[in-house]
Amino acid sequence: DVKVTQSSRYLVKRTGEKVFLECVQDMDHENMFWYRQDPGLGLRLIYFSYDVKMKEKGDIPEGYSVSREKKERFSLILESASTNQTSMYLCASSLVFSGETQYFGPGTRLLVL
Amino acid sequence: EDQVTQSPEALRLQEGESSSLNCSYTVSGLRGLFWYRQDPGKGPEFLFTLYSAGEEKEKERLKATLTKKESFLHITAPKPEDSATYLCAVEDGGSQGNLIFGKGTKLSVKP
Repeated sequence: DVKVTQSSRYLVKRTGEKVFLECVQDMDHENMFWYRQDPGLGLRLIYFSYDVKMKEKGDIPEGYSVSREKKERFSLILESASTNQTSMYLCASSLVFSGETQYFGPGTRLLVL
Repeated sequence: EDQVTQSPEALRLQEGESSSLNCSYTVSGLRGLFWYRQDPGKGPEFLFTLYSAGEEKEKERLKATLTKKESFLHITAPKPEDSATYLCAVEDGGSQGNLIFGKGTKLSVKP
């Protein structure tokens, strides 16, 4: 079974803090994705990566950066957290081919005070 | 612009009352349509992938079908444990593996 894990289930941070969210997958998938999910807005893609050290902007990259130093690990960084970044953050991974299923982690619920 | 629309937004059923959820889409070239189930506070759980019109897939009480414009998730004789939000997503031909998600249908099944 594909397993995607996220470093934290719940996080509480202060405005202006630097926040790191980590995601690890164990299926040797090439693609990894970061989404945020908000009520009424659905899932929105923040960043994705097709390979180690490669990254591409999604639909809402502002205020975020990512890092992929190893194939299995994809980190989302909030450089200076703001209250409007309070959300559910979901990581996903898939094989390299188009048309392949994305498998999701359990999510991290982030509250920025 | 590519779009994915799910209806209804919410659906309440009695246990055993069969129904269908709809996902309509407009993309330039469909690479795949995906159904997920999401329980509160958890990540989406993969259910089905459909690739071409006429394709059908089944799993227990769930059956997914696909036409050129929409997909249906049929739920036969649902049980309370089927209560969840069901998400539909499509991959457009030009999107390099990126998915466009609908906003989901929240299903409640009462005993």
